Amino acid sequence: DTAVSQTPKYLVTQMGNDKSIKCEQNLGHDTMYWYKQDSKKFLKIMFSYNNKELIINETVPNRFSPKSPDKAHLNLHINSLELGDSAVYFCASSRERNSYNEQFFGPGTRLTVL
Amino acid sequence: AQKVTQAQTEISVVEKEDVTLDCVYETRDTTYYLFWYKQPPSGELVFLIRRNSFDEQNEISGRYSWNFQKSTSSFNFTITASQVVDSAVYFCALSEAEVYSGGGADGLTFGKGTHLIIQP
Repeated sequence: DTAVSQTPKYLVTQMGNDKSIKCEQNLGHDTMYWYKQDSKKFLKIMFSYNNKELIINETVPNRFSPKSPDKAHLNLHINSLELGDSAVYFCASSRERNSYNEQFFGPGTRLTVL
Repeated sequence: AQKVTQAQTEISVVEKEDVTLDCVYETRDTTYYLFWYKQPPSGELVFLIRRNSFDEQNEISGRYSWNFQKSTSSFNFTITASQVVDSAVYFCALSEAEVYSGGGADGLTFGKGTHLIIQP
């Protein structure tokens, strides 16, 4: 069974469109995250979400919004896609909102904006 | 703010050589955690090790070993007798124990990664 899953694995879309990436974890973890990996492989935290508390990295544009229907899911919605949004997006989860816990990552979603 | 530096962008060695990946970090916290993750060509991120700031004991796991030195703020990773399957991008990451204030999301702060190429 996959611990952290993401769909779709690949997403190609036009500039200006709105798209969503889904993430699910079956580990019973309390905290979930979204990271962005750019073309130079640099990984950066976008959001963390724990018990309905959303913490947003201040550099993330408000076109990006995470939505959590329940503890096991944290979906990423992106409005008005721009060329610079092209990247690989990783969802992750950890047992608690605690810096000690290792994070388990999903397989990533490669987003290409044309 | 916390920062992780992996100065080696790419390393290429021949199989069976030993190789060390460097990681230097900066943090204001006294309690923090350091991690290494592996990203093979298939793209997933694989957890390798976690170390807390109060435990400076080196760790060995098979061909992998880690050297944590607070005095130099370094957490280096050595692969002994490298194999082609070790080829990947390796990331060092830092997590601070104190609740982050000031608008940032808690989570891992990653270095830029070291691309390790093991040639047969």
